[in-house]
Parts: sequence; structure tokens; C-alpha cells
Amino acid sequence: KQEVTQIPAALSVPEGENLVLNCSFTDSAIYNLQWFRQDPGKGLTSLLLIQSSQREQTSGRLNASLDKSSGRSTLYIAASQPGDSATYLCARDSGYALNFGKGTSLLVTP
Amino acid sequence: DTGVSQDPRHKITKRGQNVTFRCDPISEHNRLYWYRQTLGQGPEFLTYFQNEAQLEKSRLLSDRFSAERPKGSFSTLEIQRTEQGDSAMYLCASSLTGGPGEQYFGPGTRLTVT
Repeated sequence: KQEVTQIPAALSVPEGENLVLNCSFTDSAIYNLQWFRQDPGKGLTSLLLIQSSQREQTSGRLNASLDKSSGRSTLYIAASQPGDSATYLCARDSGYALNFGKGTSLLVTP
Repeated sequence: DTGVSQDPRHKITKRGQNVTFRCDPISEHNRLYWYRQTLGQGPEFLTYFQNEAQLEKSRLLSDRFSAERPKGSFSTLEIQRTEQGDSAMYLCASSLTGGPGEQYFGPGTRLTVT
């Protein structure tokens, strides 16, 4: 079974801090790596998609990197805000199915 | 709003009843996926369609589950003889082949089996 692990499981930071969320996967043969945000009781919002030929993607205060050889991806959030509070999920694309980690629950306090 | 819609948003049913959920993908997307998410877990893949063809089914999709996409547009997921263990959020996503493969998710249907 392909496994995706996210560390830490939960994180609480004061507003303004830069932070890094980690994702590791057991099979380096991936198509894409996708990061999502999920608010409580809601669906998933796609944040960034890194194709297998790419090493990183940026959108606003978010930057995601991908290292296939080590089976790792990181999501960097700059200058965190209370509105960033949510669960962040990474997902490895096997070619059709996304394999998800359990997520990192982020709380940004004012 | 991602453009993927699901109906209903919430469903409460008694054990043993049948339920059906609907998903409308982004109109030009030819791939449609179903996932299930339980509390504290990431979503788990159930099945996917390319146009009207169901191409993959997870072993999680027991015989009580059936999915259809009759005209390659909307899809339905039916659960027969519901069990308490079926209580979960059912998520639908869509994507476009030939593109980067980004999947866009709907808001989900929350099923509670009492």
C-alpha cells in the first residue's frame, strides 16, 4: 500500500510566523503531488499542484517543493494569518487516484 | 466554489436503508472521482470514471456500493443496506485528461447512519 505521512499532525503558531509542513511518501513513482486546504466540515480546496517534472510551485504566500528521490514534499507558508487556520493535506497522484496523508491541523493565533 | 457540486450536502438515514448521492463535475472535465473521508483521516479513493466508463474501483467499494456516470456528465453513488460504518463524508472530484491532472473537489455529502 502506498503511504503518505504528514508531520506534524498539529501545529499552533502566532500570527506572522513562517512555517513548514512536511509530507513524505513511500513510492517515488508519482505523477503529481497536490496540496489541499480543508476547513472543518467542508470539501477540499486545491492550493498547489507540482507535476513530476517540476521541483516547486508558488502561489502568493505559499511555496511547495517536491523531491522525488527522497519521497518528500514541503509546503512553506510565509507570514501566517489567522485565516490560514485549517487542515492541510498532501496527496500523491498515482495516475488516477490521489493517496492522501492524514493532514496537518494548523491554528494561527492573533 | 470549485465548480463541482454535490447533492445532498447532508443525509441522515437509518441502518438498512438505501441512499443515493449525486455529483456534477466541472462541465468540460472528463474524469470524475469518488472518495470517502472519515473523521481525522485523509480522503480514501473509491472509484473513478473517464467519460462514462468506470475504470478503477477500490477494494473499499463493497458490493453494497455502486456508482454510475450514464452520459459522461453527472455521476451517482448508491449505497444499499447502509451500515453505521458507512457514516462518512463522500467527496466527488473532477479533472481533465491532457491537462496537468489537478483534481477539483466538491463540498461533499455528509452521511450519518443511525
